[in-house]
Amino acid sequence: AQSVTQLGSHVSVSEGALVLLRCNYSSSVPPYLFWYVQYPNQGLQLLLKYTSAATLVKGINGFEAEFKKSETSFHLTKPSAHMSDAAEYFCAVRTNQAGTALIFGKGTTLSVSS
Amino acid sequence: KAGVTQTPRYLIKTRGQQVTLSCSPISGHRSVSWYQQTPGQGLQFLFEYFSETQRNKGNFPGRFSGRQFSNSRSEMNVSTLELGDSALYLCASRRGGGDTEAFFGQGTRLTVV
Repeated sequence: AQSVTQLGSHVSVSEGALVLLRCNYSSSVPPYLFWYVQYPNQGLQLLLKYTSAATLVKGINGFEAEFKKSETSFHLTKPSAHMSDAAEYFCAVRTNQAGTALIFGKGTTLSVSS
Repeated sequence: KAGVTQTPRYLIKTRGQQVTLSCSPISGHRSVSWYQQTPGQGLQFLFEYFSETQRNKGNFPGRFSGRQFSNSRSEMNVSTLELGDSALYLCASRRGGGDTEAFFGQGTRLTVV
């Protein structure tokens, strides 16, 4: 069975600082990995996805993530935080064997201060 | 192009009632999945429909059901509502087949009183 662990339910950074949101996954077969962002009272928006191509994945709004199989990690980073990045972020995994269901982590709330 | 549309956005129901939520996927998408989001349990998969057939189901009681129509629109029904069913219900559409990207709607906020 697949699972996702997001380390840190709340991360606070200053505007302009590096953003690092941690995600570790568990899967016995090659996974597909995703990062989604959710703003208050909104649905989920896909930031980026890993589907076994390049291990460094670039997404929207300046975010990127690196797939590290040896560490079973898929951490999300952004070099310089903006106030508009404040939101909740979810890491998710799915595999072909498990069908199309996404398994989500508990989420990390990112706060950005000026 | 239009995104995933969920109606209604907000609902208030009484315990014991039933409720139907609607989801219209992106044009051309044949797969619709439903998720429940609560503060305690997070995001949990309910079920997926593809070409009017349920092809994957999460670990929820039989009170939760769904269906998909020939135009790919989907409905989710919850019968005999319980207070714990209060949640944000999210619908996601995918093109289907080997496509991996799911696009989410804004959700329906259900409150059971």
